[in-house]
Amino acid sequence: DGGITQSPKYLFRKEGQNVTLSCEQNLNHDAMYWYRQDPGQGLRLIYYSQIVNDFQKGDIAEGYSVSREKKESFPLTVTSAQKNPTAFYLCASSIDRTAAFFGQGTRLTVV
Amino acid sequence: KQEVTQIPAALSVPEGENLVLNCSFTDSAIYNLQWFRQDPGKGLTSLLLIQSSQREQTSGRLNASLDKSSGRSTLYIAASQPGDSATYLCAVRPGRTDKLIFGTGTRLQVFP
Repeated sequence: DGGITQSPKYLFRKEGQNVTLSCEQNLNHDAMYWYRQDPGQGLRLIYYSQIVNDFQKGDIAEGYSVSREKKESFPLTVTSAQKNPTAFYLCASSIDRTAAFFGQGTRLTVV
Repeated sequence: KQEVTQIPAALSVPEGENLVLNCSFTDSAIYNLQWFRQDPGKGLTSLLLIQSSQREQTSGRLNASLDKSSGRSTLYIAASQPGDSATYLCAVRPGRTDKLIFGTGTRLQVFP
């Protein structure tokens, strides 16, 4: 089945720890995105990538980092510099600026 | 800067009603607009995509319209059902970038 897979579904981070969220797609899409969703707010763009080995900051990139070494994969690292990381993280992909498709999300909680 | 607004923030209707969800955007220079559905704790499901050159798109009981010049889109849901209960989000893709900019959503509850 074609789609976008995010893992893990739930993730717990200790203070000062870096964690990496996985996003894999088998749709052969060029563009991939990371969004953050907080209760009562819309989705805010963290990073996006239009091609392999290239990515751009979104509106809230501070405290996050990404890589795009393969077309299929766009992992997001939440670093210790992100002071309020508890949120729902969503990965998406699209091709030729057509419809975007989303994964099922990762819920990150600081413990 | 493009801003997207959705009104109302929440809506509760009895089963069988036809309803309209609204999406407004401040910059009419968009490439396309997409409507999504989100169930609690889940990812987004794409409902309809409207290109900037189109006026409307239909899928089953859903119809989305686009008036680019006035910066508005509406999602019409016919004969609503309890299974339609979810949050509905619209997102615009600005003309010059590959970003998607989201509204804050309308939380819909359809009761039997």
